[in-house]
Amino acid sequence: RKEVEQDPGPFNVPEGATVAFNCTYSNSASQSFFWYRQDCRKEPKLLMSVYSSGNEDGRFTAQLNRASQYISLLIRDSKLSDSATYLCVVNDVTSYDKVIFGPGTSLSVIP
Amino acid sequence: GAVVSQHPSWVICKSGTSVKIECRSLDFQATTMFWYRQFPKQSLMLMATSNEGSKATYEQGVEKDKFLINHASLTLSTLTVTSAHPEDSSFYICSARRILFGEQFFGPGTRLTVL
Repeated sequence: RKEVEQDPGPFNVPEGATVAFNCTYSNSASQSFFWYRQDCRKEPKLLMSVYSSGNEDGRFTAQLNRASQYISLLIRDSKLSDSATYLCVVNDVTSYDKVIFGPGTSLSVIP
Repeated sequence: GAVVSQHPSWVICKSGTSVKIECRSLDFQATTMFWYRQFPKQSLMLMATSNEGSKATYEQGVEKDKFLINHASLTLSTLTVTSAHPEDSSFYICSARRILFGEQFFGPGTRLTVL
């Protein structure tokens, strides 16, 4: 089993749609979780950290379920500019602070 | 937000030459920096974790003698691709982790093409 897995995608959704991305991780010792977005041929950019209580930033909501080792990202009212690859990132501080990226899920928002 | 610079942004070199890439955290200190490689349409692959003042930790399959990493200060790490070959052509991205916070901030990447 891979350390971090994500929905395979790609997701093609119309503008204004709500889309949810799922991510699971295998190491229960993982302590920090993030969502990044990466545009084509660009570096990843931090979208948001994921907290145990869940957190929201505008149209974006992140949830963490430690018992199920599951992370989610919800995007409401999708915009064309949301088209990108979304990367789930897990930080395992027990293994020399290793950071593990999921394979990413591609999103295309269509007019 | 935290800014990470990377230089050069792109480089074309002949096979057999060495290429040095710099990664700097501009407005924060980073005890840990990471080096990644990304091939087209593939996910980021962690090459090594670099801690200031100590030897880098390389991922399995990454040759430490080929990819030399130096992390001389809390704001600078360098990656040297020695004796580059065409198969080393890739997008190399560094990231720096801000002390106490855990988020990584990425440099803009260096596109290396070896002829």
